[in-house]
Amino acid sequence: AQSVTQLDSQVPVFEEAPVELRCNYSSSVSVYLFWYVQYPNQGLQLLLKYLSGSTLVESINGFEAEFNKSQTSFHLRKPSVHISDTAEYFCAVSEIYNQGGKLIFGQGTELSVKP
Amino acid sequence: DAGVTQSPTHLIKTRGQQVTLRCSPKSGHDTVSWYQQALGQGPQFIFQYYEEEERQRGNFPDRFSGHQFPNYSSELNVNALLLGDSALYLCASSLLGDRPLGEQYFGPGTRLTVT
Repeated sequence: AQSVTQLDSQVPVFEEAPVELRCNYSSSVSVYLFWYVQYPNQGLQLLLKYLSGSTLVESINGFEAEFNKSQTSFHLRKPSVHISDTAEYFCAVSEIYNQGGKLIFGQGTELSVKP
Repeated sequence: DAGVTQSPTHLIKTRGQQVTLRCSPKSGHDTVSWYQQALGQGPQFIFQYYEEEERQRGNFPDRFSGHQFPNYSSELNVNALLLGDSALYLCASSLLGDRPLGEQYFGPGTRLTVT
């Protein structure tokens, strides 16, 4: 079985400051890793994913996440946040051997960017 | 190209009633997954349908059932509603044979309130 723990339920930060949203996972099998973003009253949008290869993955809007197998972590970072980054962020995993199968989500981290 | 659509957007039901939620997948997708997102929580996997059959199921009681139609659209049915069933219900579609990963695309969700 897999589980995902997001270590911070809320992260307040000032605009243009750096931010890190922490995610740890537990799994007895190999997994793919994801970060999703949910804006108020909307569904989930995929922000970035780690499937294989380079452990550092980037999104088009400046976020990056690093897969650390030894620490079973997949922390999300951005060097300088904008007001528009205010949203709920979810870390998720899925089993590699269950292609296209269920996603296991963490509890979410609410990122609040203040001017 | 329309993305994943869900109907209705909002729904209010009384305890003990039954409800049906609908989902149309993204064009070209053949697999539909359903998730329940309680307030302040991450989404939880309910089940997944492929080729009109339930492919995977999460830890939800039999009161939760589903169906997939030949055009790949899907319904989620919940019987004997409980107050605890109040949540945002998310539908996600994917192409199962897509490699390396059948990425799931989420709809905006249906907000169900049980009174």
